[in-house]
Amino acid sequence: AQSVAQPEDQVNVAEGNPLTVKCTYSVSGNPYLFWYVQYPNRGLQFLLKYITGDNLVKGSYGFEAEFNKSQTSFHLKKPSALVSDSALYFCAVSFSGYSTLTFGKGTMLLVSP
Amino acid sequence: NAGVTQTPKFQVLKTGQSMTLQCAQDMNHEYMSWYRQDPGMGLRLIHYSVGAGITDQGEVPNGYNVSRSTTEDFPLRLLSAAPSQTSVYFCASSYRASGSYEQYFGPGTRLTVT
Repeated sequence: AQSVAQPEDQVNVAEGNPLTVKCTYSVSGNPYLFWYVQYPNRGLQFLLKYITGDNLVKGSYGFEAEFNKSQTSFHLKKPSALVSDSALYFCAVSFSGYSTLTFGKGTMLLVSP
Repeated sequence: NAGVTQTPKFQVLKTGQSMTLQCAQDMNHEYMSWYRQDPGMGLRLIHYSVGAGITDQGEVPNGYNVSRSTTEDFPLRLLSAAPSQTSVYFCASSYRASGSYEQYFGPGTRLTVT
């Protein structure tokens, strides 16, 4: 069975500093990996995805993620955090032919001024 | 396009009551799904549909029914509400793009069962 782990419940970072939100996965085969963001009392918004090709994926709002097959990781990164990046971030996995996602538990990102 | 719409936004039920959460999409997406979000547990798949007339169970289907009579609508029915069904419910629709499925989420329905 496929699973996604987000080992940190919360990540704190000062504005202007780089941020990393961690995600590891456990699947067989070649996964499709996603990051979503949820702002308070809102639905989920798509940030970026990895399907194949370049291991570094660039997405919305200046975020990027690096797919590392040997470490089964897909960490979300941003070079310079903004206070407005404070939100709940979800990593998710899927497979070719599957229209649904398996989500991690989420990581709350708090960016302080 | 309105995208994915969900009604109601908030609902309070008493234990044992039944109700239907509505979900509609105007993007002509073939695939639709229902997830529930609980603190510390992420989103979990309840039911999904790969087209009109075709539905299947996800990770946590017990206590819920779905049907898909049209491409646009995918209602979720709670048969006899229980406090354990207190949650935020998200509907999503998707289409196949570049080998994967682009998921679009609705704004959610916050359900409290007392």
